[in-house]
Amino acid sequence: DAMVIQNPRYQVTQFGKPVTLSCSQTLNHNVMYWYQQKSSQAPKLLFHYYDKDFNNEADTPDNFQSRRPNTSFCFLDIRSPGLGDAAMYLCATSREKREFAYEQYFGPGTRLTVT
Amino acid sequence: AQSVTQLDSHVSVSEGTPVLLRCNYSSSYSPSLFWYVQHPNKGLQLLLKYTSAATLVKGINGFEAEFKKSETSFHLTKPSAHMSDAAEYFCVVSVGGSQGNLIFGKGTKLSVKP
Repeated sequence: DAMVIQNPRYQVTQFGKPVTLSCSQTLNHNVMYWYQQKSSQAPKLLFHYYDKDFNNEADTPDNFQSRRPNTSFCFLDIRSPGLGDAAMYLCATSREKREFAYEQYFGPGTRLTVT
Repeated sequence: AQSVTQLDSHVSVSEGTPVLLRCNYSSSYSPSLFWYVQHPNKGLQLLLKYTSAATLVKGINGFEAEFKKSETSFHLTKPSAHMSDAAEYFCVVSVGGSQGNLIFGKGTKLSVKP
């Protein structure tokens, strides 16, 4: 089945130690998104790629970076994680065509713990 | 500007009784609207979507929603709740444009009592 895959599902990192979360997709969608979701809150968009074009949300901290080496893969790098960065990180994809209503397909998420 | 308001942060029902999760939206043009469900420690799953076709939209697991333009509402319903329906539900509107960013409501937590 075509899907969005996130690895690892659970990640523990130390305060200030860089960490990378990965996302891959078999849907061949050209748009990929990264969201941060804290407990009992809605997902918050961090940034997205439209093909290779990177689009950062205005309030995304500089501590968060992303890479998309090809259509299938996208990475979230947290350069110096703080305790406040502990959250669920969700990857999503979509096709850009209006007729598909911009429906986003979500991965299962990576739960990040910062110790 | 587009926005979404979920009117209840928490809804509790008994198994076998109807479910109603309320959502109002604000949009300057004809929106695309979605309901997503999220079970604990899982990603978001699309329940259903409205894209300016039929106003009554049927989704998975017996859920449906009705788009009412005059009331700017898109409430989610299910005739009979099941224990497995207990989850967080998000009403979402598409911003549109070329990249389709989504605006999320704050979520409604549905509890189902036996």
